[in-house]
Amino acid sequence: EAGVVQSPRYKIIEKKQPVAFWCNPISGHNTLYWYLQNLGQGPELLIRYENEEAVDDSQLPKDRFSAERLKGVDSTLKIQPAELGDSAVYLCASSPSRSADTQYFGPGTRLTVL
Amino acid sequence: QKEVEQNSGPLSVPEGAIASLNCTYSDRVSQSFFWYRQYSGKSPELIMSIYSNGDKEDGRFTAQLNKASQYVSLLIRDSQPSDSATYLCAVNPANFGNEKLTFGTGTRLTIIP
Repeated sequence: EAGVVQSPRYKIIEKKQPVAFWCNPISGHNTLYWYLQNLGQGPELLIRYENEEAVDDSQLPKDRFSAERLKGVDSTLKIQPAELGDSAVYLCASSPSRSADTQYFGPGTRLTVL
Repeated sequence: QKEVEQNSGPLSVPEGAIASLNCTYSDRVSQSFFWYRQYSGKSPELIMSIYSNGDKEDGRFTAQLNKASQYVSLLIRDSQPSDSATYLCAVNPANFGNEKLTFGTGTRLTIIP
């Protein structure tokens, strides 16, 4: 069974530029999560989807971050414009149920903002 | 007070010894508790889950939960160099439909051959 797929794996951009990350969850997993992980910290939830509905986006900085999961399968997280402090690893995870107990993480996208 | 607190380490343990990792949480109504292992440059991987007070064993790993003290720990017996990683404690309140994992900052563990 294929795991969670994320692309790109690495991205380097200049500040104020836009950037987008893509995630394809494990087949059949209805719940999808986007996390941000700073160096030396644990993952922090940005947004949680159940199918195509964003059920928890309370931690998403909506002035510059946006996300979508139009068909309830793959998802895109966007930052526009990027700031220096956005440099981090962006992790996508998926779960076969609404419970957050069983999550499978993708490899992450390491973003560097110069 | 942070929701989930861990000693960031680093924790160094000789090969073959027992590694003990600790975590405290602030939300008393939390229901589910997890330990994730994260190798450098890799994504977190679930290694243990525990839901009830007491001990849960899986191979060389034992998770311990004490809800009254709001404390969860992970013991690794017969530590191997391959156990060197950052261990993340995570808590799911799972109440009122609030399904989310809150992670600690992680404890970096080094097993010394």
